[in-house]
Amino acid sequence: QKEVEQNSGPLSVPEGAIASLNCTYSDRGSQSFFWYRQYSGKSPELIMFIYSNGDKEDGRFTAQLNKASQYVSLLIRDSQPSDSATYLCAVREVNDMRFGAGTRLTVKP
Amino acid sequence: EPEVTQTPSHQVTQMGQEVILRCVPISNHLYFYWYRQILGQKVEFLVSFYNNEISEKSEIFDDQFSVERPDGSNFTLKIRSTKLEDSAMYFCASDLGGQTQYFGPGTRLTVL
Repeated sequence: QKEVEQNSGPLSVPEGAIASLNCTYSDRGSQSFFWYRQYSGKSPELIMFIYSNGDKEDGRFTAQLNKASQYVSLLIRDSQPSDSATYLCAVREVNDMRFGAGTRLTVKP
Repeated sequence: EPEVTQTPSHQVTQMGQEVILRCVPISNHLYFYWYRQILGQKVEFLVSFYNNEISEKSEIFDDQFSVERPDGSNFTLKIRSTKLEDSAMYFCASDLGGQTQYFGPGTRLTVL
């Protein structure tokens, strides 16, 4: 069974701080990794994807991938109250996407 | 910007009834998916569809479920005889193949 694991949280950070979200996956052959944000009652919204080891930055977001350790993380710099949501880690398989349970982030003003 | 659309936004049905959830994927996308999210739980893969046939399905996607692309734009999920435990958000997604999946807004299915 291919698993994607995330700390369910909740994770609470003050406004302006860095939020760090972590994810591990079980299938060593996985190649594509995605972070989605989901507001309550809404559909997953893509934040960014990463395929290669190392860091990938997009605005206030940085995704980090370490295939040897089978983990992927998301850093949110200068966190804003509007970043409060559930963050879903997803691993792309050949014909489907497997999601973690999500980490609930609260950014306090 | 192109987007995946889904109808209806909310469907209420009686147990044992058939429901059809509709999706219009992004027009140039080739791969289509259905996912389910029970309230408070993770997003779960149901089925993927390419070239007018199912590519992969999960253990959730049993004989009660079927998918169809009846024309060039719609992609439907049919649940033949709904059960209480089918109550969930159902998301349709599409992509170009091996790339980012874009999700529709979802249909909330409530089975009474």
